Amino acid sequence: AQKVTQAQTEISVVEKEDVTLDCVYETRDTTYYLFWYKQPPSGELVFLIRRNSFDEQNEISGRYSWNFQKSTSSFNFTITASQVVDSAVYFCALRNNAGNMLTFGGGTRLMVKP
Amino acid sequence: KAGVTQTPRYLIKTRGQQVTLSCSPISGHRSVSWYQQTPGQGLQFLFEYFSETQRNKGNFPGRFSGRQFSNSRSEMNVSTLELGDSALYLCASSLDPGSYRDEQFFGPGTRLTVL
Repeated sequence: AQKVTQAQTEISVVEKEDVTLDCVYETRDTTYYLFWYKQPPSGELVFLIRRNSFDEQNEISGRYSWNFQKSTSSFNFTITASQVVDSAVYFCALRNNAGNMLTFGGGTRLMVKP
Repeated sequence: KAGVTQTPRYLIKTRGQQVTLSCSPISGHRSVSWYQQTPGQGLQFLFEYFSETQRNKGNFPGRFSGRQFSNSRSEMNVSTLELGDSALYLCASSLDPGSYRDEQFFGPGTRLTVL
């Protein structure tokens, strides 16, 4: 069985602070895929990034960066210099190699205050 | 390119009724998946359709069903509605399911309220 845990249910920061969202996953599969999605108040899940289990290269995209560590089964997401528009619920998700079923974590609500 | 569209956006039903939700995937996408989001259970996978065939199914009762048409549009149906079925139902489409480069793109959801 697969499991995704986002221990932080809610984080509040002041604008321009850096913030890291934690994600820990469990799977017995050797090939799997990890995702981060953002859900603003409108409700639509917005795709942010996908990482494959065989690609541990970390990535930076603008103010966003991701740290994938297979040894600790973690896939953390950092926002640098946060902005009010970053306020949303962020979900980490896991998919194995059989079909399109995503297993989501419980989500982390990020509130960025001006 | 138009995104995933879902209709209706909001729906109010009473217990015992049935409901049909519709999802149109991104043009060219052949896989459609459905998810239920509730405050208590979070985001849970319902089922996935690919080429008009159900490929995967989550742990939901038989009251939840779906289908996919030849143009990849999908519908899900919930019969004999219960209060606990009140949720945001999200549809996602993807181009090449199973590919290591595949990712799912979500629609805005249908918010179902059961009274």
